[in-house]
Amino acid sequence: SQTIHQWPATLVQPVGSPLSLECTVEGTSNPNLYWYRQAAGRGLQLLFYSVGIGQISSEVPQNLSASRPQDRQFILSSKKLLLSDSGFYLCAWSGGRRQPQHFGDGTRLSIL
Amino acid sequence: AQTVTQSQPEMSVQEAETVTLSCTYDTSENNYYLFWYKQPPSRQMILVIRQEAYKQQNATENRFSVNFQKAAKSFSLKISDSQLGDTAMYFCAFMKAQTGANSKLTFGKGITLSVRP
Repeated sequence: SQTIHQWPATLVQPVGSPLSLECTVEGTSNPNLYWYRQAAGRGLQLLFYSVGIGQISSEVPQNLSASRPQDRQFILSSKKLLLSDSGFYLCAWSGGRRQPQHFGDGTRLSIL
Repeated sequence: AQTVTQSQPEMSVQEAETVTLSCTYDTSENNYYLFWYKQPPSRQMILVIRQEAYKQQNATENRFSVNFQKAAKSFSLKISDSQLGDTAMYFCAFMKAQTGANSKLTFGKGITLSVRP
């Protein structure tokens, strides 16, 4: 069966520091991959998605970037974190066209 | 563009009773998919149920069922025999069938459901 791993679960970072969140999927090949941010008590905002290695689509302009160096690895990064980057970040995967998305456990990011 | 509206921010239900969560959406597409996701306090997002718009029969998964009204663009979730473990935030989501390879979802803002013992 397929599993998705996301880490770390919790992260506290100072303003201006870099960021790297990692997500990996097991048990499938060529998945679609997604990064979402969820503000407290709010819905999900799609940040990036990827349909293949090296293919990244950005949904909203922001201080973050994403990369997909391997088929089942998706990384969310920032060179300099802002206070507004605080939130709950979720990685998800899907089997492709018309398939539902399945989510990781999320990372709670706090910026001090 | 598609929009998904969950107008009730919070609901509460007594354990073992039935509760219905509302969702409406707006789209010009004729073929699409609708989903309900559950996010318990642990924050993991879990797929609850899925409905294809071209199917008239309402989807059912154990205690969870939907009332899909395509003409009214309504997609409500019914939870029967509510359990304490159903306490969670519930999100309604929409996916175009002609979405290309990306399978992007549009989410509602969610509703917080509390099950009382």
